[in-house]
Amino acid sequence: NAGVTQTPKFQVLKTGQSMTLQCAQDMNHEYMSWYRQDPGMGLRLIHYSVGAGITDQGEVPNGYNVSRSTTEDFPLRLLSAAPSQTSVYFCASSYGRIGNTEAFFGQGTRLTVV
Amino acid sequence: TQLLEQSPQFLSIQEGENLTVYCNSSSVFSSLQWYRQEPGEGPVLLVTVVTGGEVKKLKRLTFQFGDARKDSSLHITAAQPGDTGLYLCAGGGGSNYKLTFGKGTLLTVNP
Repeated sequence: NAGVTQTPKFQVLKTGQSMTLQCAQDMNHEYMSWYRQDPGMGLRLIHYSVGAGITDQGEVPNGYNVSRSTTEDFPLRLLSAAPSQTSVYFCASSYGRIGNTEAFFGQGTRLTVV
Repeated sequence: TQLLEQSPQFLSIQEGENLTVYCNSSSVFSSLQWYRQEPGEGPVLLVTVVTGGEVKKLKRLTFQFGDARKDSSLHITAAQPGDTGLYLCAGGGGSNYKLTFGKGTLLTVNP
């Protein structure tokens, strides 16, 4: 089973550029979310979705957009990249209410903004 | 805002030693999860505890949820180099479908 697949694994952007981080899961999970992981900060929630067509903001949503047109895909868009968005990004999915069921994480996308 | 404080932040021990990692909050969580993350990988779930006072064992790992559901601990007996990694606690539940993560404990077990 593929589980949660994130692409790309590494990316370097120039300040002001835009890009989309892809996330796909093949487990038919309703719940999907995006986190960023920074040294000494742990994992912080950016956006999440409880089903196709439904998204909401997390703890650090500024500078990011999401959409959920299908159950499988949950892309994260950086509108105008800034050095402060240099981080490792993780997508996660869960088959039930997150926190009560297992969250499956992708391998992450390491993003550097110069 | 719910916060989870993990301690210690770093821990370096010798193979065979015991250790305990703590996860504390002033907030009540309906569930508490522990994840382990290896370099270059995403976190992987170790355990979920949902009942105050609950104790779960996973081989040499013992997890406990505090009676008031505000804190948790992870105890490793006779640590091995394969236990090396970043241990994260995460609180969940509530109406917002969110996981709140602690900052993690980076464990190194030296042979």
